[in-house]
Amino acid sequence: SAVISQKPSRDICQRGTSLTIQCQVDSQVTMMFWYRQQPGQSLTLIATANQGSEATYESGFVIDKFPISRPNLTFSTLTVSNLSPEDSSIYLCSVGSYNEQFFGPGTRLTVL
Amino acid sequence: SQQGEEDPQALSIQEGENATMNCSYKTSINNLQWYRQNSGRGLVHLILIRSNEREKHSGRLRVTLDTSKKSSSLLITASRAADTASYFCATDITGGFKTIFGAGTRLFVKA
Repeated sequence: SAVISQKPSRDICQRGTSLTIQCQVDSQVTMMFWYRQQPGQSLTLIATANQGSEATYESGFVIDKFPISRPNLTFSTLTVSNLSPEDSSIYLCSVGSYNEQFFGPGTRLTVL
Repeated sequence: SQQGEEDPQALSIQEGENATMNCSYKTSINNLQWYRQNSGRGLVHLILIRSNEREKHSGRLRVTLDTSKKSSSLLITASRAADTASYFCATDITGGFKTIFGAGTRLFVKA
């Protein structure tokens, strides 16, 4: 298992600004995943971040809007840029394999 | 596109009753997992069933998988108020490299 922390736990941002979310894992992992969960909805995968390579983005998500860093095997950041109210969601990072994933507590973003 | 569709979308039961949630998916899978999410927080892995398994138990949880119908069910027996949460199925697609989550079922257990 893995213990994952995320910062911040929640934030309220003005439109047009950016928010960077940090994800810290208590052990070294190869793959980290970033998800978005819009209000009352399921999880949608934004991108997969492997250390030492560019993140792989899912259809509908682009690097300019959601830049990701993965500087080492225990840490990653997701930035949500040029915020609009439609970006109001919970953002979750996870680690693990396709058999089981461990999730951070999530970052609740509200854009005004 | 979303792989898993779940029903019901919401379920309200009394404590002590059983809760059954269903999940359908569209493509071939390697395995299917169920997760629980409490009040908009992180998800917790509950149980995994592989494509060659038909039924699996873990405590009060019973999961079935019917690959011919591309469907799975999660049964929670003797429910408790603490089981109140959203439950998601997730599939690992054959030939794919990601996990896709279903729409989820919101379970409310009344004390």
